[in-house]
Amino acid sequence: QKEVEQDPGPLSVPEGAIVSLNCTYSNSAFQYFMWYRQYSRKGPELLMYTYSSGNKEDGRFTAQVDKSSKYISLFIRDSQPSDSATYLCALAVEAGTASKLTFGTGTRLQVTL
Amino acid sequence: DTAVSQTPKYLVTQMGNDKSIKCEQNLGHDTMYWYKQDSKKFLKIMFSYNNKELIINETVPNRFSPKSPDKAHLNLHINSLELGDSAVYFCASSQGILSGNTIYFGEGSWLTVV
Repeated sequence: QKEVEQDPGPLSVPEGAIVSLNCTYSNSAFQYFMWYRQYSRKGPELLMYTYSSGNKEDGRFTAQVDKSSKYISLFIRDSQPSDSATYLCALAVEAGTASKLTFGTGTRLQVTL
Repeated sequence: DTAVSQTPKYLVTQMGNDKSIKCEQNLGHDTMYWYKQDSKKFLKIMFSYNNKELIINETVPNRFSPKSPDKAHLNLHINSLELGDSAVYFCASSQGILSGNTIYFGEGSWLTVV
């Protein structure tokens, strides 16, 4: 079993839809939860960052962490064609150790007009 | 200004060759990384350097040798290239080694071994 599981998609939604992207993980030591967006032929860029459990909102994006279920989510409201990309969840264990991100395989999202 | 830049962006080479990928960051960060993304888009850490010192080496074949001449540069040299080395290699950097520091990625180097 992989440490982090993520549905690879592709996920196709119409413009304006609410998108839900999810990851599950097995290692309860993960404390830092991130979402990266990767456009085709580009490097990943940090989209959202959450420490421990809870919600975080930034514009049209909301990240949720449920540590009891080992489940993290990214919601995109009013999705736009420019949101079409691969979304990778990335997790890290507590500070005090050398930083090492463990990534999901990424979900490819296509927002259509 | 590109924060983390790596060259070349595309590289096609024959099996058995030796090749290098160069990386530079202008963010003033202390920590640099090499990540590998395979054909299934799975992104995995290979190496991490902090202040030119190797701190993470993730069971990578010793044909891969990173070198950090200074804090702003981390190069990756690959000897005796194999077909399975075909992947996208991402350089990255962060302010420090501790978890919680944001990691910034370069745009990737597409390596194809034929």
